[in-house]
Amino acid sequence: GQQLNQSPQSMFIQEGEDVSMNCTSSSIFNTWLWYKQDPGEGPVLLIALYKAGELTSNGRLTAQFGTTRKDSFLNISASIPSDVGIYFCAGLSNNAGNMLTFGGGTRLMVKP
Amino acid sequence: NAGVTQTPKFQVLKTGQSMTLQCAQDMNHEYMSWYRQDPGMGLRLIHYSVGAGITDQGEVPNGYNVSRSTTEDFPLRLLSAAPSQTSVYFCASSYIGLAGSDTQYFGPGTRLTVL
Repeated sequence: GQQLNQSPQSMFIQEGEDVSMNCTSSSIFNTWLWYKQDPGEGPVLLIALYKAGELTSNGRLTAQFGTTRKDSFLNISASIPSDVGIYFCAGLSNNAGNMLTFGGGTRLMVKP
Repeated sequence: NAGVTQTPKFQVLKTGQSMTLQCAQDMNHEYMSWYRQDPGMGLRLIHYSVGAGITDQGEVPNGYNVSRSTTEDFPLRLLSAAPSQTSVYFCASSYIGLAGSDTQYFGPGTRLTVL
């Protein structure tokens, strides 16, 4: 089946630093999604990307849909302690209906 | 509206016991799905449904049954629990076919331990 490789697996950064994480796939996706999961909660959608090359921002978060449709990245600028959590990328392909394929997650830790 | 709700939040079972995890959504979403989350593996799709009366298997369906008798509810049944089913289970829902509206919303999860 399709697989998403997400990196890095974990990051420990200082408050105020910028963060970058990415996902790559061997298959094409038509939609890329980025979710954040807080401890004991379900994933919450941060950004959705629908077109190759699309660059979308949501506050301090910026995500891009790669031009090959096989990758995406998420940047967080000026990190704050509440950014702590696990970030997941997920891909949707037209030939898989609404079935999401998830990356393994990036665990972000922010030191005040 | 409440979004996607799941019950129970925690459950401990003995091997061989059966139980049903409940999921409900009040957004009139056609698509509902169940995922399990294991450490370091992201979320994996168990079963999904594109509407009442229609269900299909995902990536890891063995040991689980589902049904969709109404648009709102999508229960997940474990017929004979095994320790390998210890996991956190998430239900999600979305519209279908509306570009920009097909992103999935997740419930808070059920943490299941099978002894």
